[in-house]
Amino acid sequence: EAGVVQSPRYKIIEKKQPVAFWCNPISGHNTLYWYLQNLGQGPELLIRYENEEAVDDSQLPKDRFSAERLKGVDSTLKIQPAELGDSAVYLCASSRRGVKDEQFFGPGTRLTVL
Amino acid sequence: KNQVEQSPQSLIILEGKNCTLQCNYTVSPFSNLRWYKQDTGRGPVSLTIMTFSENTKSNGRYTATLDADTKQSSLHITASQLSDSASYICVVNRMDSSYKLIFGSGTRLLVRP
Repeated sequence: EAGVVQSPRYKIIEKKQPVAFWCNPISGHNTLYWYLQNLGQGPELLIRYENEEAVDDSQLPKDRFSAERLKGVDSTLKIQPAELGDSAVYLCASSRRGVKDEQFFGPGTRLTVL
Repeated sequence: KNQVEQSPQSLIILEGKNCTLQCNYTVSPFSNLRWYKQDTGRGPVSLTIMTFSENTKSNGRYTATLDADTKQSSLHITASQLSDSASYICVVNRMDSSYKLIFGSGTRLLVRP
């Protein structure tokens, strides 16, 4: 069974530029999560999808962050415009059905904003 | 406030030695507690999941304990190997309508030869 796939693995951009991250969850997993992880910290939830519906986006900075999960499979997280403080690792995870199920994490995208 | 606190923040041990990592939480209501291992540059990988009624669970050389009364958990690593060098993250699942996972900051373990 293939794991959660994320791309790109690394991204370096200048501040005020847009950036997008892509995630392909494990096949059959209905729930998809985007997390932000700062160095030396645990992941922080940005948004959770149940199929194509965003059921928890309370921690997503909506002025510059957006996400979509068309057709309830792949997902894209976008930042526009990026700020220096957005430098972090962006993790995608999926679970079969809801947060009670085990979450499987992708390798993450390390974003550096210069 | 729902919090998960881990200690120590970092730890260095010699290969072959045992170690114990601590996790204290104030999350309520409590559903389950998980320990994840995160290698550098990788996503977290689940080691154990324990519900309220379980007080110990093993996964190879990893043994997690849970005391739901004192809201404490520990992860014991036996006969450490170089590949155990990683961050270990304690995660508590809050049991309410939001079903949020509350992550600790992790303990960074370095195993030296």
